[in-house]
Amino acid sequence: GAGVSQSPSNKVTEKGKDVELRCDPISGHTALYWYRQRLGQGLEFLIYFQGNSAPDKSGLPSDRFSAERTGESVSTLTIQRTQQEDSAVYLCASSFRSGKYGYEQYFGPGTRLTVT
Amino acid sequence: RKEVEQDPGPFNVPEGATVAFNCTYSNSASQSFFWYRQDCRKEPKLLMSVYSSGNEDGRFTAQLNRASQYISLLIRDSKLSDSATYLCVVNMGVPVRAAGNKLTFGGGTRVLVKP
Repeated sequence: GAGVSQSPSNKVTEKGKDVELRCDPISGHTALYWYRQRLGQGLEFLIYFQGNSAPDKSGLPSDRFSAERTGESVSTLTIQRTQQEDSAVYLCASSFRSGKYGYEQYFGPGTRLTVT
Repeated sequence: RKEVEQDPGPFNVPEGATVAFNCTYSNSASQSFFWYRQDCRKEPKLLMSVYSSGNEDGRFTAQLNRASQYISLLIRDSKLSDSATYLCVVNMGVPVRAAGNKLTFGGGTRVLVKP
């Protein structure tokens, strides 16, 4: 079946502009996650949505970052007034409970953001 | 101390050899453990979930040691295609009945299999 999809795959923007990144999770997955991965670095958790519960925003690095999710489907990550340090790959993942170990996350291909 | 720590490597492995590496985690209440594989400039892909008794999937064997708070991954008969970064992933929270929970990723262990 279809996996997690993200768009755009690449985005180049000028410093100070706003960008919006999109994630379509696997159908039926109720949990959705956003991560950031800078070049040569590990994954950095940003935000987590679980059903209708309040999202866990504990990883958002500043108030320039925000994310929304419509029900249990599409999510958008918005970065306002982009800075060069925002340049990274933004990865989205989704998960669905399956047995006892239901936290397996499946990743999309990511959006590579370059701020010039 | 990092919540999930891994030796960054690289582990240089001759083709056909066995390689093993560990990952330590700080929270003794951690419940779920996974190994992901990430190829250069690609997204992480789930390799194995780690069960309490240890589990094997083909050439890959994962073990969990709760007393010492580490998990391990062993790769037998290494193939060139096994070259990748292996990410140790831990669910640090208590079990929940919902479909997901925040996972904590280690920095990854780089493995290079050479002919």
